[in-house]
This record gives sequence, C-alpha cells and structure tokens, in this order.
Amino acid sequence: EVLLQQSGAELVRPGSSVKISCKASGYNLTDHYMHWVKQRPEQGLVWIGRINPANGNTVYAEKFKNKATLTADKSSNTAYMQLSSLTSEDTATYFCTRSGYFDYWGQGVTVTVSS
Amino acid sequence: DVVLTQTPPTLSATIGQSVSISCRSSQSLLQSNGNTYLHWLVKRPGQSPQLLIYSVSRLESGVPNRFSGSGSGTDFTLKISGVEAEDLGVYYCVQGSHAPWTFGGGTKLELK
Repeated sequence: EVLLQQSGAELVRPGSSVKISCKASGYNLTDHYMHWVKQRPEQGLVWIGRINPANGNTVYAEKFKNKATLTADKSSNTAYMQLSSLTSEDTATYFCTRSGYFDYWGQGVTVTVSS
Repeated sequence: DVVLTQTPPTLSATIGQSVSISCRSSQSLLQSNGNTYLHWLVKRPGQSPQLLIYSVSRLESGVPNRFSGSGSGTDFTLKISGVEAEDLGVYYCVQGSHAPWTFGGGTKLELK
C-alpha cells in the first residue's frame, strides 16, 4: 500500500525557516516525481514545485523560487520541503503528492507563522 | 503560465441529480506526444485531495463510475451522474501539460 506520511504541525516565528518531510512507503521514492501543493485557509490549491528524487532535479513555480527548496533522501525514501523567510502569507497547509497525476497525497502539514 | 478557469464556482445539487463542471484552459493541453495531462481532484473538508479522473477521461482506481471526464484541447468537463452525499467538497482541475502545473480555482459542490 502506497502511503505518504508527512511530519507534524509547525508553529514558527516570522522570518524563520521550517523544513517539513514526506516519507514514502509502499514504493521506491525514486520511481516517481514528488510534487508539493499549498492551500491557505478557505483558498484553493496552489502548485509549489516538484522534484525528481532519482537525480534531485527540481522545477518551481515562479512565486516559490526564493521561498521553497525541495530535496529528497533516497536512503530514507523521504522528500523534504524547506520554506524560508516565513511571513503570515506562508500560513497554510502543505501537501506532498506523488507524480504528475497526483495519485497519492500526504495528510498535509499545517504551518502557522506567528510571533 | 496556463490559466484554468472553472465554472461554476459553486454548484448546488440534490441527491441523485447529475451535474457538470467546466474547466477551460488558456491554451491547448494537447502535447506533441498525443497526451493531455488534465486531471480532476476533489478536496473534501478535513481530508487530503483525492484524484478522480486523470488524463481527461481515465477513471482512477477505486473511484465510483458515476464520475466521468471528457473534453479535448482547451475545454474539459467533469460529470457526476447522480450526486451522493459523500460527493460534497471542492472540485479542482489541474494541468501538467505545460510547466508550471496549475490548478483551476475550484468548484464547491453543495447540497441543495
């Protein structure tokens, strides 16, 4: 069974960074791209970017190029997303999702940016 | 970037009613390899999004066959033939034919 298990909720200070994880099980992480999606409260889904875990190649949406950094650790079958210089605009739930078909999703990580 | 425009933004339906959601793209999603990467998802409250239809019309495994997708080029439609209570949520189209991937604005399905 394919599962994407994400790390827990985060409460972080403005200006700081946070790194959230997405551990894949039931398949080899390198067999599929991993995408990341943002959803702010009461708003729609926004694509952040994707990583090819096999070689680390990344593609980002323009607005996230200086905000998000995607990485992958093949040894632990885990993908990561780091968000930097956090502001209230980054308060949201972040999902990892497998492949360009978005066929499996993590449960989401709620990041709250507050002083 | 490709802009996906979904209509209507809100849909009120009774149980058993058939409904359709439109997704129009700002450019053709047909790739030179003949594939069209237009998919449909549903986001139910408190849950992660779920894939319903991929590549325009292919039903994801485990999804009830009351869901169907159609279309080509720039115009696509998701149809629910006989809404059930569990279908409530926000429906999104998403395209992966042209980077960056983009989502439609969503269509909220409510019970009348």
